[in-house]
Amino acid sequence: KNEVEQSPQNLTAQEGEFITINCSYSVGISALHWLQQHPGGGIVSLFMLSSGKKKHGRLIATINIQEKHSSLHITASHPRDSAVYICAVAKIQGAQKLVFGQGTRLTINP
Amino acid sequence: DAGVIQSPRHEVTEMGQEVTLRCKPISGHNSLFWYRQTMMRGLELLIYFNNNVPIDDSGMPEDRFSAKMPNASFSTLKIQPSEPRDSAVYFCASSRLALLDEQFFGPGTRLTVL
Repeated sequence: KNEVEQSPQNLTAQEGEFITINCSYSVGISALHWLQQHPGGGIVSLFMLSSGKKKHGRLIATINIQEKHSSLHITASHPRDSAVYICAVAKIQGAQKLVFGQGTRLTINP
Repeated sequence: DAGVIQSPRHEVTEMGQEVTLRCKPISGHNSLFWYRQTMMRGLELLIYFNNNVPIDDSGMPEDRFSAKMPNASFSTLKIQPSEPRDSAVYFCASSRLALLDEQFFGPGTRLTVL
């Protein structure tokens, strides 16, 4: 079983819908990252979380350390949000390691 | 700031040749990361440096791969000899505080080994 699991793997929605992408992990972590990769290939860091909740524009990320779970929410989704969203955890294991989820491909239709 | 700079952006080479990928991190960032992305394996962390010192190289696939960071503004990832299975996009990223801070990614180098 992968140490980081994302769901769903693929998500298609209509413009304006509220989007939730989930990330569950099975290891002790010091931080969790959400990344966005656009169709052109560029990668952008959206959030780095170690507890609680962060908000940036229409994006909200939450983490529950006890439940080993994080969610990424997009409000009022737009076609430009179409991308692959990747969860990665900084695993506590001696020197810290970064372990990635398999990504969620989001498509927002106009 | 220009962001993280990688070169070359594309590299096509023949099996057995040496390949060197280059990265210039954002000025003031103390940590530098090398990633590889393939369709089969997704995004993988190969190695990262903190203050020019390699911290974790457990992701480096084989002895054919080596990475150096001679100073705070430059790093190389070398593959010698290259093999077709090394074909991938290689990303470099930098941050102020290792894995506990936002990472800024370069545009990537698309490597094709024939």
